[in-house]
Amino acid sequence: EAQVTQNPRYLITVTGKKLTVTCSQNMNHEYMSWYRQDPGLGLRQIYYSMNVEVTDKGDVPEGYKVSRKEKRNFPLILESPSPNQTSLYFCASSELPGGTQYFGPGTRLLVL
Amino acid sequence: GQNIDQPTEMTATEGAIVQINCTYQTSGFNGLFWYQQHAGEAPTFLSYNVLDGLEEKGRFSSFLSRSKGYSYLLLKELQMKDSASYLCAVRGGPNRGSTLGRLYFGRGTQLTVWP
Repeated sequence: EAQVTQNPRYLITVTGKKLTVTCSQNMNHEYMSWYRQDPGLGLRQIYYSMNVEVTDKGDVPEGYKVSRKEKRNFPLILESPSPNQTSLYFCASSELPGGTQYFGPGTRLLVL
Repeated sequence: GQNIDQPTEMTATEGAIVQINCTYQTSGFNGLFWYQQHAGEAPTFLSYNVLDGLEEKGRFSSFLSRSKGYSYLLLKELQMKDSASYLCAVRGGPNRGSTLGRLYFGRGTQLTVWP
């Protein structure tokens, strides 16, 4: 089954404690993105990747890092989480840049 | 820059027709998507328009006018399960200020369908 998986689905952490949210897709897509979704603000792109070792900033990259060492994986790293990073995070992949997005199930993060 | 506007909320009754509008002002344009998102779930693809006109897909249709920077999603024969947020997203085009292939989302329209 074609899918995008994310882990963990729910996470409560404290300010400053590094965390990684994993994302994996099995569709051999070259293009992957991370979004955050906040009430009243909609989906905002954090980072995106056009291919292995090729990443670029989206609209809200501050406080986040990504890596793309393999085509299928695109982890999101929060080196020092802060409460304003409390949000719902989605990973997505697509066959083409800006093409139909296949979203993961989401990761709900609470930073205390 | 990118500016995508859609109403925050809409309500309708079962069996009715509803039209959700989306206007955009972007420095590049290479197509427009509509996604559906149920509460607590991931967005799912509904439609994609790159040329002017109406695209029909069952109970859902999507219209695009590039000259007016306008699109709408038309939902017919509304059902309770259509209660969801509907997201308009513009695909960036090869113009200055708009990265080719980037997607820019509106804030979503929360549709509530009453029995």
